[in-house]
Amino acid sequence: NAGVTQTPKFRILKIGQSMTLQCTQDMNHNYMYWYRQDPGMGLKLIYYSVGAGITDKGEVPNGYNVSRSTTEDFPLRLELAAPSQTSVYFCASRIGQALPIDYGYTFGSGTRLTVV
Amino acid sequence: DQQVKQNSPSLSVQEGRISILNCDYTNSMFDYFLWYKKYPAEGPTFLISISSIKDKNEDGRFTVFLNKSAKHLSLHIVPSQPGDSAVYFCAASARTASGGSYIPTFGRGTSLIVHP
Repeated sequence: NAGVTQTPKFRILKIGQSMTLQCTQDMNHNYMYWYRQDPGMGLKLIYYSVGAGITDKGEVPNGYNVSRSTTEDFPLRLELAAPSQTSVYFCASRIGQALPIDYGYTFGSGTRLTVV
Repeated sequence: DQQVKQNSPSLSVQEGRISILNCDYTNSMFDYFLWYKKYPAEGPTFLISISSIKDKNEDGRFTVFLNKSAKHLSLHIVPSQPGDSAVYFCAASARTASGGSYIPTFGRGTSLIVHP
């Protein structure tokens, strides 16, 4: 049981380049999330998904796109990388019920992205 | 405007003593609160949570206290151990407008160092 797996762990992009951050989970969780963490800041929600085929914007969605074609995978796409997107990106998942009795996310180990 | 505030960026404690990490929130709609622990180069891991219908929740060495009137919660670690040295994030959530998923808002974190 691998949990939430993110790839790559590190990446350096040039301004204007594009890339996809991969996230996959093997826990059959319905809910998946993408967060970014800037230095000295808390985690900010980029996008989330409540199930395959359903995605919604979080607090800071500009510059990103997501898709959810399967329960397991939730890739995050950066189309035109900008220095402001330099951050650590975390993918998370949870069972996802209307009541928070399942509480607690399972996070991946993160992708450290630098845009130069 | 930060809805979840952790005003102490860092805390240093001697092994065996109590660690108290504080968190304040401004949104009165928050009704579920969580603490996460994060080691360097790893994703956050869920530690403990509390619902607004309670004022205390205990799990081993970890206890979370909630004071709704003051919009304040705290995490107590007793006794503190060197392995507890990590960044601790407070998070608060409310049911979304659609009545669906609870999506937490995170604080900026407090770095706890426990000295042997």
